[in-house]
Amino acid sequence: DIQMTQSPSSLSASVGDRVTITCQASQDINNYLSWFQQKPGKAPKLLIYDASTLETGVPSRFSGSGSGTTFTFTISSLQPEDIATYYCQQYDNLPPFTFGPGTKVDMK
Amino acid sequence: EVQLAESGGGLVKPGGSLRLSCAASGFSFSSHSMNWVRQAPGKGLEWVSSITTSSDYKYYAASVKGRFTISRDNAKNSLYLQMNSLRADDTAVYYCVRDSLAAPGLFEYWGQGTLVTVSS
Repeated sequence: DIQMTQSPSSLSASVGDRVTITCQASQDINNYLSWFQQKPGKAPKLLIYDASTLETGVPSRFSGSGSGTTFTFTISSLQPEDIATYYCQQYDNLPPFTFGPGTKVDMK
Repeated sequence: EVQLAESGGGLVKPGGSLRLSCAASGFSFSSHSMNWVRQAPGKGLEWVSSITTSSDYKYYAASVKGRFTISRDNAKNSLYLQMNSLRADDTAVYYCVRDSLAAPGLFEYWGQGTLVTVSS
């Protein structure tokens, strides 16, 4: 099975800061990678898929990049409504589909 | 508007059974593979099971294989998860998730979840 790691596990940032999260896969996942945002008590929301494609309606301050086994998620200018936990997830080939452990982003 | 509404969660004793349902609306249910994903309290997301459009293929996480059964009824626009031999570590919010047509495992839409608590 493909294992996913994320770093950092948590971070604190100020409004307007650039925030970067890294996700690493245990093998090449052919860019089949999604990023989700989850706010407390809510279901996860798809933000980015295929490593860098922004889901319809998602603000352009969110972006994704990377290839092979290493991927990056960026918030270019952190807003108060971006406080959440962010998960990466791979969907290469057949199940099991695996998630990273999550990165909790809060306001400094 | 795509809507996924889970039901059937609740408190069950270890070793017991529960059947979750997901009512889908706002899209062509029979055209999409469907999934269950769970989240234990305060923990991360864990994929549980997937089923293809015509129920030809069903997949399970190792942690639930042999105990859980996924099924669907395309005539009723419904997805199900039969959970047997429940254990304390099955305690979680269970989400019904729709695949994108673009790729299996691309989790496009999520329901609000239903809480399953396994405790004596």
